[in-house]
Amino acid sequence: GAGVSQSPSNKVTEKGKDVELRCDPISGHTALYWYRQSLGQGLEFLIYFQGNSAPDKSGLPSDRFSAERTGGSVSTLTIQRTQQEDSAVYLCASSLVAGPYTEAFFGQGTRLTVV
Amino acid sequence: AQTVTQSQPEMSVQEAETVTLSCTYDTSESDYYLFWYKQPPSRQMILVIRQEAYKQQNATENRFSVNFQKAAKSFSLKISDSQLGDAAMYFCAYRPNTGNQFYFGTGTSLTVIP
Repeated sequence: GAGVSQSPSNKVTEKGKDVELRCDPISGHTALYWYRQSLGQGLEFLIYFQGNSAPDKSGLPSDRFSAERTGGSVSTLTIQRTQQEDSAVYLCASSLVAGPYTEAFFGQGTRLTVV
Repeated sequence: AQTVTQSQPEMSVQEAETVTLSCTYDTSESDYYLFWYKQPPSRQMILVIRQEAYKQQNATENRFSVNFQKAAKSFSLKISDSQLGDAAMYFCAYRPNTGNQFYFGTGTSLTVIP
């Protein structure tokens, strides 16, 4: 696709429900990141996928959070038993190759509100 | 710990004037990369400029330039001839040569006054 696509754009859910957030990276991009942006905070790293390598899950805040990337393309971030503190904007980014100088292209994010 | 600090939550500038956004970072690494990203109300982060730490020359991209002071661990962004479209949140980011993540600051909200 032309850019990183995330869906839904906004999601309101009840506390305790599970949610799935989807990220469709730019075609051919091997690296994919998930970040969380809370109000007044910077971006918090959640998870990183690179090709067929084991993902770097070091940023996931609890075992309620999980993510997968199927076929090296689309990724889904799942939050189980949502809590109010999970309310945030969840940003996905992808890059062509893994490398520290490589530009990451971001999607427009999913704004999650837990009520 | 690798942290990025943006000490200016909000800044404003008159249209056509120059503004400088501050960023400092803390790292024990010697090889790393620094970025400034812009986030307009659409929420989509856009790369503004990047700098390799081993390069002494400051990066420039049209009206955007940086002042990189490696010893001071400072990486400020200068926007010249500010335009209304420059209004956005600006995030400073650090990425080590090893490791998978970008470390972001808390952002500076820039207002451009007509």
